[in-house]
Amino acid sequence: EDQVTQSPEALRLQEGESSSLNCSYTVSGLRGLFWYRQDPGKGPEFLFTLYSAGEEKEKERLKATLTKKESFLHITAPKPEDSATYLCAVQVRYNTDKLIFGTGTRLQVFP
Amino acid sequence: DAGVTQSPTHLIKTRGQQVTLRCSPKSGHDTVSWYQQALGQGPQFIFQYYEEEERQRGNFPDRFSGHQFPNYSSELNVNALLLGDSALYLCASRTSGATNEKLFFGSGTQLSVL
Repeated sequence: EDQVTQSPEALRLQEGESSSLNCSYTVSGLRGLFWYRQDPGKGPEFLFTLYSAGEEKEKERLKATLTKKESFLHITAPKPEDSATYLCAVQVRYNTDKLIFGTGTRLQVFP
Repeated sequence: DAGVTQSPTHLIKTRGQQVTLRCSPKSGHDTVSWYQQALGQGPQFIFQYYEEEERQRGNFPDRFSGHQFPNYSSELNVNALLLGDSALYLCASRTSGATNEKLFFGSGTQLSVL
């Protein structure tokens, strides 16, 4: 069964304290791995897609990396406005219109 | 340019009732998907519509049904509501030729079943 697991469930950081969020996956075939940001009362907002092991993408203070079994979302010198839930999702080859999401990591960054 | 719009934003129903949720896709988008997000969980795929037909379906019972109209807007219908149907229902849209990188989500309809 295709499965996505995110850790930790929740993370509290002081402003400027860098850290990483983990997304491990077990799927029959990976079409792409997605990272989304979700603010309270809003829908997920697309951040990155990674397609193959070794791939990396960056956007401002965020950097996503991918291996054959997991992905990391590195947050460098976070600011309070980075507080949100970060969701990881996979798209599998045999089912290209469906995303399988993890349960997310709730990030709080305090001043 | 309006993004994906959903209505209503909040809804309260009782067990056994039926509910209809509505979605207008982002301008230029013709493919619509629906997801259910329970509290503290990630979204779960319900189904996807394109050319007014259900193209793919997740692991949801037949109580969940949908429709897509010629203007690409969509409805999600849930019959015989259960307490467990309480969740945020998200609509997402893209153009048929785009990858899921171009999948845009609405802000959802919060359904509470009492």
